[in-house]
Amino acid sequence: NAGVTQTPKFQVLKTGQSMTLQCAQDMNHEYMSWYRQDPGMGLRLIHYSVGAGITDQGEVPNGYNVSRSTTEDFPLRLLSAAPSQTSVYFCASSYSWGMENTEAFFGQGTRLTVV
Amino acid sequence: AQSVTQLDSQVPVFEEAPVELRCNYSSSVSVYLFWYVQYPNQGLQLLLKYLSGSTLVESINGFEAEFNKSQTSFHLRKPSVHISDTAEYFCAVSDPYAGNMLTFGGGTRLMVKP
Repeated sequence: NAGVTQTPKFQVLKTGQSMTLQCAQDMNHEYMSWYRQDPGMGLRLIHYSVGAGITDQGEVPNGYNVSRSTTEDFPLRLLSAAPSQTSVYFCASSYSWGMENTEAFFGQGTRLTVV
Repeated sequence: AQSVTQLDSQVPVFEEAPVELRCNYSSSVSVYLFWYVQYPNQGLQLLLKYLSGSTLVESINGFEAEFNKSQTSFHLRKPSVHISDTAEYFCAVSDPYAGNMLTFGGGTRLMVKP
């Protein structure tokens, strides 16, 4: 059981380049989300999805796009990378509802540097 | 809207000493409360959670947290820390009526010294 898999683990981009961070889960979770982690700021929600075909913006969505064509995959696209997007990105998944299903499972993270 | 404040960004402590990591939250509705732990170069793992019932919750590795509704706090404690507890700890809340979307605090780096 792989859980939540993120690729790549590390990436260096030049300003203006685009790229896609991949996230896949094999737990049949409805809810998937992307966070960025910056020192002293904890994790901030970028985008989330409550099921295939449904996405919504989180706290810091500007400069990022997402889509959810399958339950398993939730890619994050950087349209035109900027140095302010240098961060560690985490994908997470969980069931959407139910007191017994509140645990979120996180990927190992993608460390992105924009130069 | 919810917010979470972790009052200490770093907590240095000697091995076998007690520790408390503080967490306060703000919300207009009842919330679920969580502590997640992040070991170096890894993702986050759930440490413990409060959903309802007893206000004192425990983890399998000796941590405990107490939900205090009047003070809107959910502080994390351990009576005796080990070197292996060195990690970053995140307090988080979710609104049970809005799905399992988490709002995180800024994190506390626990540094256990020999």
